[in-house]
Amino acid sequence: EDQVTQSPEALRLQEGESSSLNCSYTVSGLRGLFWYRQDPGKGPEFLFTLYSAGEEKEKERLKATLTKKESFLHITAPKPEDSATYLCAVQTSQGGKLIFGQGTELSVKP
Amino acid sequence: DAGVIQSPRHEVTEMGQEVTLRCKPISGHDYLFWYRQTMMRGLELLIYFNNNVPIDDSGMPEDRFSAKMPNASFSTLKIQPSEPRDSAVYFCASSLHETQYFGPGTRLLVL
Repeated sequence: EDQVTQSPEALRLQEGESSSLNCSYTVSGLRGLFWYRQDPGKGPEFLFTLYSAGEEKEKERLKATLTKKESFLHITAPKPEDSATYLCAVQTSQGGKLIFGQGTELSVKP
Repeated sequence: DAGVIQSPRHEVTEMGQEVTLRCKPISGHDYLFWYRQTMMRGLELLIYFNNNVPIDDSGMPEDRFSAKMPNASFSTLKIQPSEPRDSAVYFCASSLHETQYFGPGTRLLVL
């Protein structure tokens, strides 16, 4: 069964304290891995898509990496405005649907 | 670009009533997805369409749920009759290629 697991469930950081979020996946065939950010009361906002092991993408203080079994979202010197829930999702080779993890709730304190 | 538009944003109804959620996808997108989000189960796909045709409705929980896409710019998700366990946030998303773009959601409370 295709499965996505995110850890930790919640993460509290001080402003400027770098860390990483993990997304482990088990799928029959990976077409793409997606990272989204979700703020309270809003819909998920697209961040990155990764397609193959070794691929990396960056956006401001965020960098996403991909291996054959997991993806990491690295947050460098976070700011309070980075506080949100970060969702990971995979799209299998069968296409179409995304399978989401439960998310990591990130809180960055000033 | 206005993004994905959903209405209503909030809905409070009583058990047994019919509920209709509406979605306008991003112009030019050929895929449309309906998701439900709860604390317990996270974000779950209910159904998705390609070129207005339902492709996979295996996530629709019961016959009480139905979805239609009469044209490329409009879709509805209907619950009849509604039950308290249907309370959740319902999201619509659309895509042209792999990346899905989400609407703001409809927060549904069934009393």
